[in-house]
Amino acid sequence: DVKVTQSSRYLVKRTGEKVFLECVQDMDHENMFWYRQDPGLGLRLIYFSYDVKMKEKGDIPEGYSVSREKKERFSLILESASTNQTSMYLCASIDGQGARSTEAFFGQGTRLTVV
Amino acid sequence: AQKVTQAQTEISVVEKEDVTLDCVYETRDTTYYLFWYKQPPSGELVFLIRRNSFDEQNEISGRYSWNFQKSTSSFNFTITASQVVDSAVYFCPLFGRGTDKLIFGTGTRLQVFP
Repeated sequence: DVKVTQSSRYLVKRTGEKVFLECVQDMDHENMFWYRQDPGLGLRLIYFSYDVKMKEKGDIPEGYSVSREKKERFSLILESASTNQTSMYLCASIDGQGARSTEAFFGQGTRLTVV
Repeated sequence: AQKVTQAQTEISVVEKEDVTLDCVYETRDTTYYLFWYKQPPSGELVFLIRRNSFDEQNEISGRYSWNFQKSTSSFNFTITASQVVDSAVYFCPLFGRGTDKLIFGTGTRLQVFP
């Protein structure tokens, strides 16, 4: 019954490393999102995508990039990890047309620690 | 621009009290969806409800009720006779059909004490 899967639950990376966070959904949704969640700040939108190869910057894109080569997969890339990118990362997908499903679906989250 | 404001950072109540969580939104999209999600201490996001922009009907589900008012751009959530299990962080995200963005506010932490 898993609908949105993130590749790792916990990750520890060193400063300066390139980090890949993968997200896969099995609902044929066009719209996918990456957020980071920090205490007291809610979920802040990093990047989103409304179709294959299409991507848009969210509210805090600096230091991140994304890739959407296939409809079901949306990857978040930290080009050169820094300690201020230590956070919980959440992936989500939604049926933007609203016809097939009612809710937005979320992955289980990846807790990334950069040391 | 698109924005969600949950002005109540934290609310504390005693069990059996009623509590209302406020949500105010801004969007230029004419078609949009509003949601409420619950995030208990375990961390997963639990879907509670979705409202479409063209459907202002209020909704009641057990102890939960929602009041959607486009005139004031608000989508408030009331828990009647609160219980300790209602303790969580609550979010009311907004999805705009034109912008394709799903954005969140900072959430409201509800603590229900026995």
